[in-house]
Amino acid sequence: DTGVSQDPRHKITKRGQNVTFRCDPISEHNRLYWYRQTLGQGPEFLTYFQNEAQLEKSRLLSDRFSAERPKGSFSTLEIQRTEQGDSAMYLCASSLVLLGYNEQFFGPGTRLTVL
Amino acid sequence: DQQVKQNSPSLSVQEGRISILNCDYTNSMFDYFLWYKKYPAEGPTFLISISSIKDKNEDGRFTVFLNKSAKHLSLHIVPSQPGDSAVYFCAARGVGGGGADGLTFGKGTHLIIQP
Repeated sequence: DTGVSQDPRHKITKRGQNVTFRCDPISEHNRLYWYRQTLGQGPEFLTYFQNEAQLEKSRLLSDRFSAERPKGSFSTLEIQRTEQGDSAMYLCASSLVLLGYNEQFFGPGTRLTVL
Repeated sequence: DQQVKQNSPSLSVQEGRISILNCDYTNSMFDYFLWYKKYPAEGPTFLISISSIKDKNEDGRFTVFLNKSAKHLSLHIVPSQPGDSAVYFCAARGVGGGGADGLTFGKGTHLIIQP
């Protein structure tokens, strides 16, 4: 078990550019979540998948944000036309939910800086 | 409107003593509560959780207490060790929180263990 991995760990981009982040969950986990964390705040939930189905996306911050999990394994989070306010840590988590609720395990995050 | 509140931004405790971290919530629909620990430049690490049908859960040095009538939970660490120095996040899950399965986090408490 290698844990949740995220790539890249750091991304610096210019305002207006598109960025894409990748998350690889723990292999047997069926749920995958994306969060955003800004300075001095706790993680803020964005969206989640059960296998390849995106079950909740109303919390995505704007229509510039989108996420996919095409084969139910890894996921990508894309931000189009980045703004300085998008600068934050983007966290991915995964969990195995069969009966009841299981804990979410987080990756190390991708730190985005928009210049 | 913050649904999960950690009112102490920081807490300093002497090594070997008990650390008590507090968390309040406003949403009575939350049904599961979790504590996470976070070191700088890492993702949050799951510590311990409690279902709303229980009032206590213990795991080694960590105990979480839930008072539903007061909408309050606390994390006790006994004895406190230097490696416990980190930011601790309280999180909750339930309808009306971060979607059907997303977590709602507090802002965190920075625990400092003094030698």
